[in-house]
Amino acid sequence: GAVVSQHPSRVICKSGTSVKIECRSLDFQATTMFWYRQFPKQSLMLMATSNEGSKATYEQGVEKDKFLINHASLTLSTLTVTSAHPEDSSFYICSGVTGINQPQHFGDGTRLSIL
Amino acid sequence: RKEVEQDPGPFNVPEGATVAFNCTYSNSASQSFFWYRQDCRKEPKLLMSVYSSGNEDGRFTAQLNRASQYISLLIRDSKLSDSATYLCVVNLAPGGFKTIFGAGTRLFVKA
Repeated sequence: GAVVSQHPSRVICKSGTSVKIECRSLDFQATTMFWYRQFPKQSLMLMATSNEGSKATYEQGVEKDKFLINHASLTLSTLTVTSAHPEDSSFYICSGVTGINQPQHFGDGTRLSIL
Repeated sequence: RKEVEQDPGPFNVPEGATVAFNCTYSNSASQSFFWYRQDCRKEPKLLMSVYSSGNEDGRFTAQLNRASQYISLLIRDSKLSDSATYLCVVNLAPGGFKTIFGAGTRLFVKA
């Protein structure tokens, strides 16, 4: 099956640090990648949709200057949480998809804790 | 009205029971449909795609009714390991790829 690798799986860092999360599709070309955030006991929240080579489309309420997304190739997207603060602590998950009629394949997620 | 709505749950069922999850979507431009399961503190995992003709995978049966804009998932002979949150997902393209998750329905299967 399609595999998405997400790295790192766990990050603990001080407030003000910028954190970069990588999402790679290992055996397929992800024309579209999604970034989600999930707080404890809550639903997945879509943060942004990114297509290879173009700017990401952010959901309402998600600051694009705070959450920088780069989708430089069909197999790699990165999310950088800039100047992270404790309220940014969450579970961040990426997914990749080859087309609208195909299912998304998720990375293992990154648990981010800002002290 | 939410674009994708699921049974609020939780569902508490004994082992061996049959349980059905329902999901409705509001946008008629919806093109593809999926069921995922998510375990606590884990990423969602694809359970099955949902096709117009209905499809079955072992104990799991998914159905789609485009006229009613309704999707269902049936689990037969529930196992303890089926305990998870089940997510209904819809892809649509009203001028660009969009994906919408339902809020999920939590299932507890008890011995």
